[in-house]
Amino acid sequence: GAGVSQTPSNKVTEKGKYVELRCDPISGHTALYWYRQSLGQGPEFLIYFQGTGAADDSGLPNDRFFAVRPEGSVSTLKIQRTERGDSAVYLCASSLLGGEIEQFFGPGTRLTVL
Amino acid sequence: AQKVTQAQTEISVVEKEDVTLDCVYETRDTTYYLFWYKQPPSGELVFLIRRNSFDEQNEISGRYSWNFQKSTSSFNFTITASQVVDSAVYFCALSELGGEDDYKLSFGAGTTVTVRA
Repeated sequence: GAGVSQTPSNKVTEKGKYVELRCDPISGHTALYWYRQSLGQGPEFLIYFQGTGAADDSGLPNDRFFAVRPEGSVSTLKIQRTERGDSAVYLCASSLLGGEIEQFFGPGTRLTVL
Repeated sequence: AQKVTQAQTEISVVEKEDVTLDCVYETRDTTYYLFWYKQPPSGELVFLIRRNSFDEQNEISGRYSWNFQKSTSSFNFTITASQVVDSAVYFCALSELGGEDDYKLSFGAGTTVTVRA
């Protein structure tokens, strides 16, 4: 079956612009996670959704970052007033249930802020 | 505080050599999960193994084996008879149960393995 998909695969934007990154989880997966991976580092947790609600947003670095999952499936990560330090690969992962341990990762969106 | 430490930044070996990747973790929970992921040059994270904190049995899967020792908070990974296709970045990760079935992962910084022909 189809895995986790993310669009766009690459996004180049200018400092100060607004961007949206999309994640389409595996069908039926209720848990969805966003991570950010900076160059040479491991992924860092941003936010976790169980269904439509953000159950844990403790990893969001500041209020420029926001994510939604209005229908409990597709999620959008939104970054306002982008800064050069936001440049990273943004990874999305989903799991079947919140209590299911294994997360399946998408290919990521590489964001470059000029 | 860093929850997962992978002290080796890079390892380079010749094909058919064995390579062991170290992982040390830190947690106060009694129930937790440990993972290894592979990230090849294509960039997608590939799940390799999961262990829970109550199961210290070592595991072997083909050329891969894992050594979990709670006494030293370590979860090391060995690739036997390495192949060029094993070249990738390998991440160790820890999952502690947060609220509402939140199993967010804490990753180490990764170890880059290069296998030369």
